[in-house]
Amino acid sequence: EPEVTQTPSHQVTQMGQEVILRCVPISNHLYFYWYRQILGQKVEFLVSFYNNEISEKSEIFDDQFSVERPDGSNFTLKIRSTKLEDSAMYFCASSGRANTEAFFGQGTRLTVV
Amino acid sequence: AQSVTQLGSHVSVSEGALVLLRCNYSSSVPPYLFWYVQYPNQGLQLLLKYTTGATLVKGINGFEAEFKKSETSFHLTKPSAHMSDAAEYFCAVSLRTDKLIFGTGTRLQVFP
Repeated sequence: EPEVTQTPSHQVTQMGQEVILRCVPISNHLYFYWYRQILGQKVEFLVSFYNNEISEKSEIFDDQFSVERPDGSNFTLKIRSTKLEDSAMYFCASSGRANTEAFFGQGTRLTVV
Repeated sequence: AQSVTQLGSHVSVSEGALVLLRCNYSSSVPPYLFWYVQYPNQGLQLLLKYTTGATLVKGINGFEAEFKKSETSFHLTKPSAHMSDAAEYFCAVSLRTDKLIFGTGTRLQVFP
């Protein structure tokens, strides 16, 4: 069964460092998303990406964040200068069509120290 | 603004008992509604969804949910809980845009 794959599963980084979280969406999907879940809180939308551009982003997704689809298979989230409050589980998701269910990856737990 | 409210952050039931997890939404347009489940240390898995048509939706693992427009609700039920149902359950709404808006989640515990 096709699935969304995220790497690494856990990343520890020092405050101020850049991190790149990687995702391989389901191969024939066209819509890509990043969500995050701070420990004990709800899952929050960060950004959606379609046709090689951002289609929507939340207030959380400020200038420190960027997304890229560098090739036909990967979808990345970059945080330029991490803060302690960026510590969270980051989920990548993809869907085949707009307004249909999104398939989520297992998540990357980011810990900023 | 759209929102999702899940009543009860923790629900405990005995094995074999009815499971009822509550979800209410606020929306200015007809929503698409979803329930996702998150098992420990895993990602989010879709249980079921409502888009249009029949208001009673059946999902995986014996779960179902009913869209009630008059009550702005989409409660999740299962007639008989199993130990393996212990997980965190998230209700989510999509309002004709790509993004999902999640509720705060309900942790289901099942006791033998």
